[in-house]
Order: sequence, then C-alpha cells, then structure tokens
Amino acid sequence: DVKVTQSSRYLVKRTGEKVFLECVQDMDHENMFWYRQDPGLGLRLIYFSYDVKMKEKGDIPEGYSVSREKKERFSLILESASTNQTSMYLCASRGETAANEKLFFGSGTQLSVL
Amino acid sequence: AQTVTQSQPEMSVQEAETVTLSCTYDTSESDYYLFWYKQPPSRQMILVIRQEAYKQQNATENRFSVNFQKAAKSFSLKISDSQLGDAAMYFCAYRRYGGATNKLIFGTGTLLAVQP
Repeated sequence: DVKVTQSSRYLVKRTGEKVFLECVQDMDHENMFWYRQDPGLGLRLIYFSYDVKMKEKGDIPEGYSVSREKKERFSLILESASTNQTSMYLCASRGETAANEKLFFGSGTQLSVL
Repeated sequence: AQTVTQSQPEMSVQEAETVTLSCTYDTSESDYYLFWYKQPPSRQMILVIRQEAYKQQNATENRFSVNFQKAAKSFSLKISDSQLGDAAMYFCAYRRYGGATNKLIFGTGTLLAVQP
C-alpha cells in the first residue's frame, strides 16, 4: 500500500525561524500536495507539484515555498514562521493512472509557532 | 470558481443507526469527480467513496452510499449501520475532470460522533 510519510507529527517553532516540513512517498507518484487544515476552514491547498522541480501555487501560497528535487520528496518551507502559520499541515500524493485517482495522505504535522 | 459547502459542522448518530451528511458544490463544469474523505483521530485521511459526474448511478461502498443529484449540485453521504469506528471528520471534495494540475477542493468538514 502507498505510504506517505511526514517527518514530524508535532513541531514547535519560534516566530521568525525558518521551518522545513518534509514529505516522502514511496509509490513513484508524479503529483504531490501540501495542504493546511484549520478548524472551520477545511483543507486549503498551499502548493503542489506535478513533476520534479515543477511547482504550482495553490490557494494560499503566501509565506510558503516548496522544493521538489527528487520525485519522492516534497518539502514545504516557511521562510520566516509567524504565529498565523500555526496549523495542521497535510502532505498528499497522487499518481496519474486514472483521472479520478485518489489522494494518499500523510498523518499530518501539527505546527505551533510561538 | 468552484466551491464546496458542508453546512453541518457536527452530527451525531446512535450506533447501528443511519446518518446522512450533506454536501453541496458550485461549478460550471459538466465533467468532474466528487469524493468523501474520512479523517479519524489518527489524522490519516482515507478515501471513503468517489463518484464520477457522468455516471447516473450512485456510488456504493459497503455501508457507505451517496445520493448524487447533479442538477441540484448535491452530494450527500449516507452511512448505514453506524459503527463506533465511523466517528471521524468527514470532508466532501470536488475535482474538475482532466489535467494533472486540477486540484482537489475540500469543504469545511463535518465532525461525526457515534454514540454507543
């Protein structure tokens, strides 16, 4: 079965720190996604990537950047963490074998910025 | 722009009973996909069921079924014989047909409690 692994389950950082959230998938999927999940707002797409070194902005890219140097790894970077970036971050991947292919999610990283 | 609305922030059901979670969406597209995802306390999002808009027949997966009303842009999830393990946050989601870059748009979620 597909496995999407996020490096940290819980993370506490200070305002202004540079934060790296790592995500690795083991099924050779082309597409990878970063979402943030907030109560009452559901999941909102931050960035996604459909190939190595390719990236597209999602709905809320401000304050974030991403890196995809290898197919299996997709990193989310908070250049200078702020308290309003305290949230649950979910990584997901999807192949392209079918147009309705489902997303496979990691277990999430709960980030607290103090 | 496409939007997905879940108007029930929380629902509760007795074990073994049936519950229906509501979802409406807005789109001008004719071809698209709809999904229900479940997020239990473990936080691992799991696909429950999916529906292709071009199919008139409602999708069914064991105790889970949908009522897809394309004209009304409604996509409700029915859970029959509810079990304690069904307690979770449920998200409705929409994806436009075709294209690698078409993103999945989620609703705000419905938290389902199952009472023993």
